[in-house]
Amino acid sequence: IAGITQAPTSQILAAGRRMTLRCTQDMRHNAMYWYRQDLGLGLRLIHYSNTAGTTGKGEVPDGYSVSRANTDDFPLTLASAVPSQTSVYFCASSEGVAATDTQYFGPGTRLTVL
Amino acid sequence: GNSVTQMEGPVTLSEEAFLTINCTYTATGYPSLFWYVQYPGEGLQLLLKATKADDKGSNKGFEATYRKETTSFHLEKGSVQVSDSAVYFCAPLLTGGGNKLTFGTGTQLKVEL
Repeated sequence: IAGITQAPTSQILAAGRRMTLRCTQDMRHNAMYWYRQDLGLGLRLIHYSNTAGTTGKGEVPDGYSVSRANTDDFPLTLASAVPSQTSVYFCASSEGVAATDTQYFGPGTRLTVL
Repeated sequence: GNSVTQMEGPVTLSEEAFLTINCTYTATGYPSLFWYVQYPGEGLQLLLKATKADDKGSNKGFEATYRKETTSFHLEKGSVQVSDSAVYFCAPLLTGGGNKLTFGTGTQLKVEL
């Protein structure tokens, strides 16, 4: 069982370029999430999806978009990357949105925007 | 909204020492509480959780008790090992409109021989 996979593992990107970070889970979880991790700030929620076909904004959504066409995939797109989007990005999923549902995290994508 | 305050690291201990990492939170209502661990170069893994007041979560020798009266969820381990070296995150969960974890800044633990 792979759990959550993310691609690419790392990427260096020129400012202004478009980039899509991929996330796939094989646990048939209903809910999925995107976080960014920055030194000294912990993890912050970018976007989330409670179920396929729905998405919502997290704490820091500006400059990012997501889609949830099916249960397994939850891509994150940077339409025009800026250096402040340099970060480590983690995808997560949970079975549902109950208070007892644990979020499981992928290995992360390290993105550098120059 | 939710917020979390964790003790600042890095924390350096000798092997077999006692560990406490303090965590206090502010939240609307009574959130579920989680501790996650991040080993070097990896994603976050669930360490333990507690879903209601006075619950004790435990795993791999780590424990934390949900203290509603002090809004705290301190992480403890009686005897740490070198393999426990990692960054530890306390995170209350806000429900309603989604399942949103609020992470603290993390506490780095380094265990030396």
